[in-house]
Amino acid sequence: DAGITQSPRHKVTETGTPVTLRCHQTENHRYMYWYRQDPGHGLRLIHYSYGVKDTDKGEVSDGYSVSRSKTEDFLLTLESATSSQTSVYFCATAQFSVSNQPQHFGDGTRLSIL
Amino acid sequence: GQQVMQIPQYQHVQEGEDFTTYCNSSTTLSNIQWYKQRPGGHPVFLIQLVKSGEVKKQKRLTFQFGEAKKNSSLHITATQTTDVGTYFCAGQNAGGTSYGKLTFGQGTILTVHP
Repeated sequence: DAGITQSPRHKVTETGTPVTLRCHQTENHRYMYWYRQDPGHGLRLIHYSYGVKDTDKGEVSDGYSVSRSKTEDFLLTLESATSSQTSVYFCATAQFSVSNQPQHFGDGTRLSIL
Repeated sequence: GQQVMQIPQYQHVQEGEDFTTYCNSSTTLSNIQWYKQRPGGHPVFLIQLVKSGEVKKQKRLTFQFGEAKKNSSLHITATQTTDVGTYFCAGQNAGGTSYGKLTFGQGTILTVHP
């Protein structure tokens, strides 16, 4: 969808280790988002970006940081992973600077923290 | 902050029966979007509603946006096994600069028995 690639697709790691998830898009979309999906909670916004080097927090940002050094890449980092961060992570992009644009999602990363 | 509640959480139907999911926001929305996620897949945009009282149809799917722009519904007529998946509503807050941020409902998981 919209040329969005998430990597890795699956990862198992231990509590306390740093983890970085990558989202790469080829559509030159300005806006990018990171969500986590957990049963009963739908999709919750972690961080988002409205341009290169422009990022802000979403509703569940504690324990996460992001960076966007290029239009096409948006990185999500868990500085010291905890078991509560076990989840499926989705990256999404949107095209224009006005509102009302649909979001396009990557295939997700399934992250397990033991 | 903004909350979007979606009910029911689960719906099991026999093929050919109708299905409806409802979405309610704690705040007035500028627009509401609907997404479908197939099992094991990623959310895919279905439609966007912008105007108060708006009704849109896509084949067997009917989408409504409430007059107060705080609630919405998705109705599927004569369900088919291909309708299986999770349906999410996602609202965008009215006013201010939203950067395209969406608040997702918890989703309704639809299963269809043949």
